[in-house]
This record gives sequence, C-alpha cells and structure tokens, in this order.
Amino acid sequence: DVQLVESGGGLVKPGGSLRLSCVGSGFSFSDTWMIWARQAPGKGLEWVGRIKRPTEGRPIDYAAPVKGRFTISRDDSKNTLYLQMNSLRSEDTAVYYCSTRFCSGETCWDEAIDNWGQGTMVTVSS
Amino acid sequence: QSALTQPASVSGSPGQSITISCTGTSSDLGRYNYVSWYQQHPGKVPKLIIYAVSNRPSGVSNRFSGSKSGSTASLTISGLQPEDEADYYCNSYSSSNTLVVFGGGTKLTVL
Repeated sequence: DVQLVESGGGLVKPGGSLRLSCVGSGFSFSDTWMIWARQAPGKGLEWVGRIKRPTEGRPIDYAAPVKGRFTISRDDSKNTLYLQMNSLRSEDTAVYYCSTRFCSGETCWDEAIDNWGQGTMVTVSS
Repeated sequence: QSALTQPASVSGSPGQSITISCTGTSSDLGRYNYVSWYQQHPGKVPKLIIYAVSNRPSGVSNRFSGSKSGSTASLTISGLQPEDEADYYCNSYSSSNTLVVFGGGTKLTVL
C-alpha cells in the first residue's frame, strides 16, 4: 500500500522558516510526480506546488502565493520529499499534505491528486 | 478567494440525486478538460472521486458522475446515502500563475 508520512510541522513566528519532510513507500517514488497541498483550519484545499522527476524539464512549479518563499525538493535515494518554507506569514497556517499525481496505466493527469499523507500542521503566529 | 466557484452548501434526502457546480474561467475549466473532484469527510484526508471531467478511479462508486460544459463542471451524486455527507472540492489545471486551482468546497448534507 502507498504510504506518505509528513513531519516537521510546528509553531513558528512570522518571518521564520520551517522545513517539512515526507517519506513515501509502497510505490516507485523516483518515477512519481510529488505534490504539496495545504488546508487552512476550517478552509478549503490549496495546491502549493509540485516536483516532477529530475529528468524532466521545468521540474518544479509553485502556486503564486508561495513562489519565491517556498522551495520544493526531493531526495529519491531516501524516498523523501521536502518543502522548505521561508518568510512565513500568518496566512501560511495550515495542514500541509504530501501527495502524488494520479496516473492510470501510462497516462497521468496533472490536476488529479490521489494518495495523500495524513498531513502536518504548521502554525505561524507570534 | 478560491479560483473556482462552488456553492457553499447543498443538501438532499437519502435516495435523491444532487449536483454540485464548479465554475471557472477561460484560463482553467474553459480551456482544459482537466478537472477532478474530491470527497473529504471531517477529520479525514481528501479522496479522489472523479478525474478528467468524468472518469472514476477504481473502487469509486458509480453513483458519482462528472460532466463539464464550457467553464462549468458538475458533480452529480445519485442515490444519496448518509455516508455521502462530506465536503466536496473541484480542481482544475490552469494557465494562470498557479498551475492547479481548487474550488472553495461544498458541504453536502444528507437530510
């Protein structure tokens, strides 16, 4: 079974930094586009960004609200996805989910997200 | 404010059918047939129930169906069951400065 386990969340002051990690198992991590999404308390889902396989062009894309502040990376040797978050703001407070792009056979859909981790809570507050 | 617009809430009785709309623009739903729907029960992670407008992942009930016309996508749930009570989200690929955009979510109440 696919498992995604996030860690690294916590309480941080505005302007601070935090690095989230996500370890994947039960699937071919290196062949999978990985996605970060978030959900503020009591609010809807928000796409944060994605990272393709290293061999693919333009491998990383970010949502406009986080571009320039957040950095997504991956270490395929450790089956681990990262989200480095800098210059954090109160509006970044959310549960952060690690997830995978949905594929059926050889076809994948960029907007479709199937496997989700349980999430890690990030609270930005003074 | 979410990029895609969904009604805040819908309701229906067991056995009935309901439809949730998801309205976008020419930059997302109006341009691409890349729209998915998710079901999220309270305290749980989202579950993909529809992809590419109208396709169901393996294991998803055929009571869930999707469609799209112009810049509006729709999710229909037929034969409502109590366990369908949840929040539902749409999302779409977009040509804007954010590649994937979500709707604000719709709370379905089964009366």
